[in-house]
Amino acid sequence: GAVVSQHPSWVICKSGTSVKIECRSLDFQATTMFWYRQFPKQSLMLMATSNEGSKATYEQGVEKDKFLINHASLTLSTLTVTSAHPEDSSFYICSARDISGQGFQPQHFGDGTRLSIL
Amino acid sequence: QKEVEQNSGPLSVPEGAIASLNCTYSDRGSQSFFWYRQYSGKSPELIMFIYSNGDKEDGRFTAQLNKASQYVSLLIRDSQPSDSATYLCAVKTNTGFQKLVFGTGTRLLVSP
Repeated sequence: GAVVSQHPSWVICKSGTSVKIECRSLDFQATTMFWYRQFPKQSLMLMATSNEGSKATYEQGVEKDKFLINHASLTLSTLTVTSAHPEDSSFYICSARDISGQGFQPQHFGDGTRLSIL
Repeated sequence: QKEVEQNSGPLSVPEGAIASLNCTYSDRGSQSFFWYRQYSGKSPELIMFIYSNGDKEDGRFTAQLNKASQYVSLLIRDSQPSDSATYLCAVKTNTGFQKLVFGTGTRLLVSP
């Protein structure tokens, strides 16, 4: 089955630090990857759609200069939380969709990154 | 009105019973619907997706879709304690990127 690897799984760092999270599709190619954020006891909220070779599309209310997304290849997208503050502490999850095959392909999720800003 | 609505629960069922999870959506033009299971502290994992009216069965799971009523459900037969998790309903948008909109999830508790 389709596997999405996300790294690191857990980050604790000081306020003001920038944190980079990687999302890789291991056994398939993905022109589009999605970045979500989930606060405790809440659902997943889409932050941005990452497109290979072009600029990411951000959801309303998400600061593109705060959350930098790079999707340089068909198997790798990165999310950088710049100058992170305690309110950025959350569970960040990426997903990717296999572009091969016929018909609609569902999104497959990485294991998530738990970010804690002190 | 939220785009995708679910009862937050918890829904408690005894082991071996049928668990019924419900979801309604607001966009009548939605075409594809997904059920994900999320264990505490973990990321969601896909259980099933459905896009035709009626039932779709996969093992102990049955997804039911009624587009006229804008309603999708998930039945879990012979519920096991390991099924205890939060179940997220997601609806695919009709935008070019085929984004998913998630409900807040229903917490299911299966007691031994």
